[in-house]
Amino acid sequence: EPEVTQTPSHQVTQMGQEVILRCVPISNHLYFYWYRQILGQKVEFLVSFYNNEISEKSEIFDDQFSVERPDGSNFTLKIRSTKLEDSAMYFCASSVHFGSGTRLTVV
Amino acid sequence: KQEVTQIPAALSVPEGENLVLNCSFTDSAIYNLQWFRQDPGKGLTSLLLIQSSQREQTSGRLNASLDKSSGRSTLYIAASQPGDSATYLCAVRGLYSGAGSYQLTFGKGTKLSVIP
Repeated sequence: EPEVTQTPSHQVTQMGQEVILRCVPISNHLYFYWYRQILGQKVEFLVSFYNNEISEKSEIFDDQFSVERPDGSNFTLKIRSTKLEDSAMYFCASSVHFGSGTRLTVV
Repeated sequence: KQEVTQIPAALSVPEGENLVLNCSFTDSAIYNLQWFRQDPGKGLTSLLLIQSSQREQTSGRLNASLDKSSGRSTLYIAASQPGDSATYLCAVRGLYSGAGSYQLTFGKGTKLSVIP
């Protein structure tokens, strides 16, 4: 069974700091996604990535967020200046396959 | 804009019972529908994926049905076990948006408790 790997599993950061969440998607897939889930709320779409560029993004995905695939394998989500409300579980998806998530806690 | 609703929000059943979880969506123009399981504080485990052309999918004690025209899906769990206790999420994938994405829209989930 192919796997999507996310690191770290849990990250604690201070408000205002930059964080990078990492994902290794399945190698022959074309569409990659980031979703987030604030505690007790729905899973929400953030951004989709196809052919090395953003194909669609939600209203949540504002200027503090960015994604890239720097080396053709890793797929990263960067949050430039974290806020308390960015605390959530962040999921990477490769086509229909989801990673186990990164729990981000902003203090 | 697609909206996904799951009823009930929570369900408690005795071990051994068969049960049905419901999911409805507002826009029937979907590519596929996926059911997930989520344990507390954990990630998403994909259970079943039904393509828009299919009526149902089965995996072990799980059976998911899809009625695209009426905007409904059900997840049937046979002979429930305490280990089935989790939150079950329904998500629909829209048709190609033109912007190049097949993003998922999730429901809030049904929290299932199976009592031994």
